[in-house]
Amino acid sequence: QKEVEQNSGPLSVPEGAIASLNCTYSDRGSQSFFWYRQYSGKSPELIMSIYSNGDKEDGRFTAQLNKASQYVSLLIRDSQPSDSATYLCAVNPSGGSYIPTFGRGTSLIVHP
Amino acid sequence: ETGVTQTPRHLVMGMTNKKSLKCEQHLGHNAMYWYKQSAKKPLELMFVYSLEERVENNSVPSRFSPECPNSSHLFLHLHTLQPEDSALYLCASSHAPGQQFFGPGTRLTVL
Repeated sequence: QKEVEQNSGPLSVPEGAIASLNCTYSDRGSQSFFWYRQYSGKSPELIMSIYSNGDKEDGRFTAQLNKASQYVSLLIRDSQPSDSATYLCAVNPSGGSYIPTFGRGTSLIVHP
Repeated sequence: ETGVTQTPRHLVMGMTNKKSLKCEQHLGHNAMYWYKQSAKKPLELMFVYSLEERVENNSVPSRFSPECPNSSHLFLHLHTLQPEDSALYLCASSHAPGQQFFGPGTRLTVL
């Protein structure tokens, strides 16, 4: 069974700090990896996608992928209270399937 | 607002009612999904349609019945629901395989 694991948190960081969110997955052949942000009562929205090993930066967000260790992480620099949300990790499995597996999400709280 | 719309946004229904949720995507995607998200629980995939054919049905009770008449529209027909079916129902679409675009969701309350 394909699994995606995330620490449910909450992860609490002070404003201006770096928030580090982690995700591990079980399907070694997975090809595509996504981070979604979900505010309370709202739908998930994509903030980062990553497909190859290494880092990918977009503004204050950096996604890191290590396929050998089967983990993907999201770093948020200069965290703001508006970053407080649940962050969902999603992994598209091997074989070209378009049915992603979502993690349970990590709740992030950025306090002033 | 994304390119995926859902109606209604809020729905209250009794256990004997029949209602339908509607999802429409304007992104030219070829796959559409229904998810259920209960309070404090992770996303639960319910149904997946690719090119209007159902390709996934995650052991969803028969009181939920999906319909995909074309690649832009997706319905979820509801009948004889239970209070534990109260949740946020999310529709998503994708150009498979790839990122998913979610609609705003329908907040369903079953009395």
